[in-house]
Amino acid sequence: AQTVTQSQPEMSVQEAETVTLSCTYDTSESDYYLFWYKQPPSRQMILVIRQEAYKQQNATENRFSVNFQKAAKSFSLKISDSQLGDAAMYFCAYGSGANSKLTFGKGITLSVRP
Amino acid sequence: DADVTQTPRNRITKTGKRIMLECSQTKGHDRMYWYRQDPGLGLRLIYYSFDVKDINKGEISDGYSVSRQAQAKFSLSLESAIPNQTALYFCATSAPDRVYGYTFGSGTRLTVV
Repeated sequence: AQTVTQSQPEMSVQEAETVTLSCTYDTSESDYYLFWYKQPPSRQMILVIRQEAYKQQNATENRFSVNFQKAAKSFSLKISDSQLGDAAMYFCAYGSGANSKLTFGKGITLSVRP
Repeated sequence: DADVTQTPRNRITKTGKRIMLECSQTKGHDRMYWYRQDPGLGLRLIYYSFDVKDINKGEISDGYSVSRQAQAKFSLSLESAIPNQTALYFCATSAPDRVYGYTFGSGTRLTVV
């Protein structure tokens, strides 16, 4: 079974600085997708960024980018120019090509210091 | 209106009671899911359905049942609620094109006392 590991339960970053959230996964599949979801205090789950495993280029969405290391099975999220509104819980998720079920990591709580 | 609507938003119930959490979606997707979120455990899959006639257990289905009343509706029931079922419950839907991930509802916070 696929597993997703987020080993850091909490992180903190100074406003305007850059922070990287780590995620590793375990799979024997070759066709899969990786996601980062944000959960602010409103508890809504918001898709931040996605990466298709067959694409070598790292995905970017404005201040959010990923470092996708397929051989190492690592998928970290970098947040640049951190803002107070980035404070939330972040979940890494994996979905294989065989079906669309997502497996989630345990999440990391990010706080942003003004 | 939200793409995925969950009701109720919050609920407190007593041990032993039967409770139903409802989910409806306007995305037109066939695939729907129920997850529960617990602190330190992330989201875990309870049940999923790939079409109206297809219901599958997830990793933590014991104590739960589901009903797929229509393409747009997928309900989760706790037959006899117990305190360790206190959690945040999410319904989600996805298109067959998996690259877009899930669209989530806003969650139901259930407390069993």
